[in-house]
Amino acid sequence: AQSVTQLGSHVSVSEGALVLLRCNYSSSVPPYLFWYVQYPNQGLQLLLKYTSAATLVKGINGFEAEFKKSETSFHLTKPSAHMSDAAEYFCAVSGASGGSYIPTFGRGTSLIVHP
Amino acid sequence: DTGVSQNPRHKITKRGQNVTFRCDPISEHNRLYWYRQTLGQGPEFLTYFQNEAQLEKSRLLSDRFSAERPKGSFSTLEIQRTEQGDSAMYLCASSLGGGSHTGDEQFFGPGTRLTVL
Repeated sequence: AQSVTQLGSHVSVSEGALVLLRCNYSSSVPPYLFWYVQYPNQGLQLLLKYTSAATLVKGINGFEAEFKKSETSFHLTKPSAHMSDAAEYFCAVSGASGGSYIPTFGRGTSLIVHP
Repeated sequence: DTGVSQNPRHKITKRGQNVTFRCDPISEHNRLYWYRQTLGQGPEFLTYFQNEAQLEKSRLLSDRFSAERPKGSFSTLEIQRTEQGDSAMYLCASSLGGGSHTGDEQFFGPGTRLTVL
């Protein structure tokens, strides 16, 4: 079984401030982990993914995430928020090595960036 | 490469009517997924195709739902006798499958928003 918990349905930051979006996962097998972004009325776009290589994963648009097995976490960060980062962010998990290959998505975190 | 496209983008229908949505994946992608997304939720898996074969279906996919992918190209998702609870965004995604596909990057379409009155 696999699941994802995204802490906080909304996160509000000032432009230029650090962005931290939290994701904790549960998986009975080593996981693959993903962060997607969704802008209004659009589909999801992959920001980054962890597939058991480096634990610190760099993605597009200046985002990165760190896989911490001991904490079962995969939090998404960006040093300096831009207005254009305002969107919905989804964390997802799928199972490597015999686990479910269909990704399970979290409920999403809406990032609000104010001037 | 124009990405994954979905048609129509919006559909309003009356309860009890049938609706059909179409998804055109990225041309070289052999894997195709359908998801449903309701307000405030992440995408929920409905079904998955590898080429023309439907390999997995979620328990969310009731008997009123059917999906096809003839010739392993575009896919259709049909909902018969729609209910108000079917109102949602229906997302399609495709990926280029190799061996293990747990790390496949899925490319999503813009979705079809269904409203059942």
